[in-house]
Amino acid sequence: SQQGEEDPQALSIQEGENATMNCSYKTSINNLQWYRQNSGRGLVHLILIRSNEREKHSGRLRVTLDTSKKSSSLLITASRAADTASYFCATPRAGRRALTFGSGTRLQVQP
Amino acid sequence: GAGVSQSPRYKVAKRGQDVALRCDPISGHVSLFWYQQALGQGPEFLTYFQNEAQLDKSGLPSDRFFAERPEGSVSTLKIQRTQQEDSAVYLCASSMKWVGEAQETQYFGPGTRLLVL
Repeated sequence: SQQGEEDPQALSIQEGENATMNCSYKTSINNLQWYRQNSGRGLVHLILIRSNEREKHSGRLRVTLDTSKKSSSLLITASRAADTASYFCATPRAGRRALTFGSGTRLQVQP
Repeated sequence: GAGVSQSPRYKVAKRGQDVALRCDPISGHVSLFWYQQALGQGPEFLTYFQNEAQLDKSGLPSDRFFAERPEGSVSTLKIQRTQQEDSAVYLCASSMKWVGEAQETQYFGPGTRLLVL
């Protein structure tokens, strides 16, 4: 079963626009991670935010975490066609090492 | 350096056939994970190794699924008597940190796409 749910399920934007996707989860977490998956490169880690952090930046990526609402958001600024991929949030399973992934947001960036 | 590699990249099996999927983790990574990803879904955890020890196999869907990592490096996921519902992408991931470290990144391989006819 999946812990997180991403919203929206699919998103289509024009190159240069910003893309925002959201993730909700169910249990308490130590950290939340975002991954990107496309057919060319498989599943790639983008960014990790700890439970005591509220916001984190990495290049064109901005992640927020609201532990009171059990939600996170990923913002991609100035999107490029190469950002076309599926984006997943993932959290460590309680007391375990494995990650629990959401169902993903499929982002299409039109050139 | 080389990332996580998996072989074969694609496998077509007839229902009832046994298959073996191989994962070569990043050199020096002590933790190894297997995930199953159905079409249009996120990966779901199958099993976890720390070195050669299988510490968590709670995600294996049935006793037809078996994983091993005998020397603490290469791992094999074996599926016996494959069924159509086993069709999925099987992902392997490795990471550096030991059990007890709460925060670490997993590095994923390209996956093996299994189709059971």
